[in-house]
Amino acid sequence: DIVMTQSPDSLPVSLGERATINCKSSQSVLYSSNNKNYLAWYQQKPGQPPKLLIYWASTREFGVPDRFSGSGSGTDFTLTISSLQAEDVAVYYCQQYYTTPRTFGQGTKVEIK
Amino acid sequence: ESQVVESGGGLVQPGGSLKLSCAASGLMFSGSVIHWVRQASGKGLEWVGRIRSKGNNYGTTYSPSVQGRFTISRDDSKNTAYLQMHSLKSEDTAVYYCTIPILEADAFGLWGQGTMVIVSS
Repeated sequence: DIVMTQSPDSLPVSLGERATINCKSSQSVLYSSNNKNYLAWYQQKPGQPPKLLIYWASTREFGVPDRFSGSGSGTDFTLTISSLQAEDVAVYYCQQYYTTPRTFGQGTKVEIK
Repeated sequence: ESQVVESGGGLVQPGGSLKLSCAASGLMFSGSVIHWVRQASGKGLEWVGRIRSKGNNYGTTYSPSVQGRFTISRDDSKNTAYLQMHSLKSEDTAVYYCTIPILEADAFGLWGQGTMVIVSS
């Protein structure tokens, strides 16, 4: 199984500041035949299901604010919130869809400092 | 608008069985892959399994943690997928989500609100 490890577990950030979450996979999720990284990011607020933010490691889902961006390739990925807003307080998960079983990172809780 | 609605959760004794449903609307259900993901209280997300479409012979794949105990099926005439759970354990206690990938990638774009399963005596 591909193990997804996120850091940090908790991230206090001041409003308007940048938040950076890292995700590392135990093996590459880059598919060489199409040069795509099979990596997604989700946001989950309390009492709600997860919401897809980013897929193919860097493509924003429709309707997601452009302050959210994804980067990285192979085994190392980053989700960046360029200017934290109050509504961004949530737990963020990375997930690989390169192979089964699909696996998620343990989550990073973003909160206001 | 596309949506999925899970149902069937509840309290069940250890060793018991339960069948969850996932009813979809507003999308081409028959062509969709259906995944189940669960989340224990205060914990992270865990993929349970998936069922492919008729075109892929309704192929199923499961997490090792549920393999042999859980079965995913679907009835395309009812736009509904199912998660049959047997030999339930306390560690199966969780909110169970049905989710469907977006067209562009196998990332989970459509989620239901989930249904709670509690395994306890």
